[in-house]
Amino acid sequence: DQQVKQNSPSLSVQEGRISILNCDYTNSMFDYFLWYKKYPAEGPTFLISISSIKDKNEDGRFTVFLNKSAKHLSLHIVPSQPGDSAVYFCAASDRAETSGSRLTFGEGTQLTVNP
Amino acid sequence: NAGVTQTPKFRILKIGQSMTLQCTQDMNHNYMYWYRQDPGMGLKLIYYSVGAGITDKGEVPNGYNVSRSTTEDFPLRLELAAPSQTSVYFCASSCPACSGYTFGSGTRLTVV
Repeated sequence: DQQVKQNSPSLSVQEGRISILNCDYTNSMFDYFLWYKKYPAEGPTFLISISSIKDKNEDGRFTVFLNKSAKHLSLHIVPSQPGDSAVYFCAASDRAETSGSRLTFGEGTQLTVNP
Repeated sequence: NAGVTQTPKFRILKIGQSMTLQCTQDMNHNYMYWYRQDPGMGLKLIYYSVGAGITDKGEVPNGYNVSRSTTEDFPLRLELAAPSQTSVYFCASSCPACSGYTFGSGTRLTVV
């Protein structure tokens, strides 16, 4: 049972354009969502997060949108740069103390930004 | 700060051998985790710990064991290696007020 799903294994965009990465979830108990970025041979690094009480969070070129009714979130990168080429993972948590903030991850989307 | 340190970076095991993947963090985080990443499958939680002396199973715990005797260290033990355990293993740490996990750089394990 894949509770967090990223349906696009790969995405290719031109430098300077917008990149939109999508993520769907099924567990209505999830109340905190994160995006991680991963380069080859490195561990994932935290990019941006959003609480379920918000529908948008922005940090520089990165914006995450949350649609709770559709159980869908997206990451927008504007403008896209070649250095953004990486695998992007969507993750979700219910943030309960007893769960130790366990994260459930999606399969990842390989973003390639072409110069 | 070193963050989360994993050793070794690479290892080849024969079927039936045992090994311990080491993980240590210097951020005084309460929570620590072990994930494995298989191609196209995302990261799956193996075991996690909410504090020293406390561990619990994640989504894919079979074939693994952990211990958490100190806040800093969270080793992962493979007792009888099987080809299905060929994967990249990531250790991570977090805390109640943290925005997200801090991951180590991973251990690439091949079982032949």
